[in-house]
Amino acid sequence: GESVGLHLPTLSVQEGDNSIINCAYSNSASDYFIWYKQESGKGPQFIIDIRSNMDKRQGQRVTVLLNKTVKHLSLQIAATQPGDSAVYFCAELNTGNQFYFGTGTSLTVIP
Amino acid sequence: DAEITQSPRHKITETGRQVTLACHQTWNHNNMFWYRQDLGHGLRLIHYSYGVQDTNKGEVSDGYSVSRSNTEDLPLTLESAASSQTSVYFCASSDGGYQETQYFGPGTRLLVL
Repeated sequence: GESVGLHLPTLSVQEGDNSIINCAYSNSASDYFIWYKQESGKGPQFIIDIRSNMDKRQGQRVTVLLNKTVKHLSLQIAATQPGDSAVYFCAELNTGNQFYFGTGTSLTVIP
Repeated sequence: DAEITQSPRHKITETGRQVTLACHQTWNHNNMFWYRQDLGHGLRLIHYSYGVQDTNKGEVSDGYSVSRSNTEDLPLTLESAASSQTSVYFCASSDGGYQETQYFGPGTRLLVL
């Protein structure tokens, strides 16, 4: 079956450093991916998305990289700030047109 | 501003009771979804709707039902609450086709005793 997983459940970074959060997916036919941020007590918030016809997409301080060869997705956050502390999920649109979500990586920014 | 709201935000109920969680969106989105979030699991899809009078079962639909009588609302009903349904429930909505970003509500924390 399909799965969306994260390499590391927790990540701590110093304020100002760059953060990299990784995600593996198993369905090579998946063609749309989203990264969400979830702060404590709140619902997931859309950060950035990418379609399978792209390798890279940039937003404000965030970049998503897609490596279809190894079925790997990453989220890069530049100049990490305390407000970036949250749980980050990747989501994969499967062949049944439903999203599957990873369990999340908890990012802690150390001032 | 358009938004998606859920109520109640917190609910405590007893095993066997019927519970309904409300979800209301003002974006006029066609698509609405209900997920549950538990430790060790990613968000899991319970039910979804692609328009008025349309409802579909998701990955973990047993014990839950939904109805879609208008565009704005998708209430989730637990017919007979069980302790295994203690969870945080999120409603989401999206517009257009399948490859559209889902926007989430703030969640409802449900405790079944």
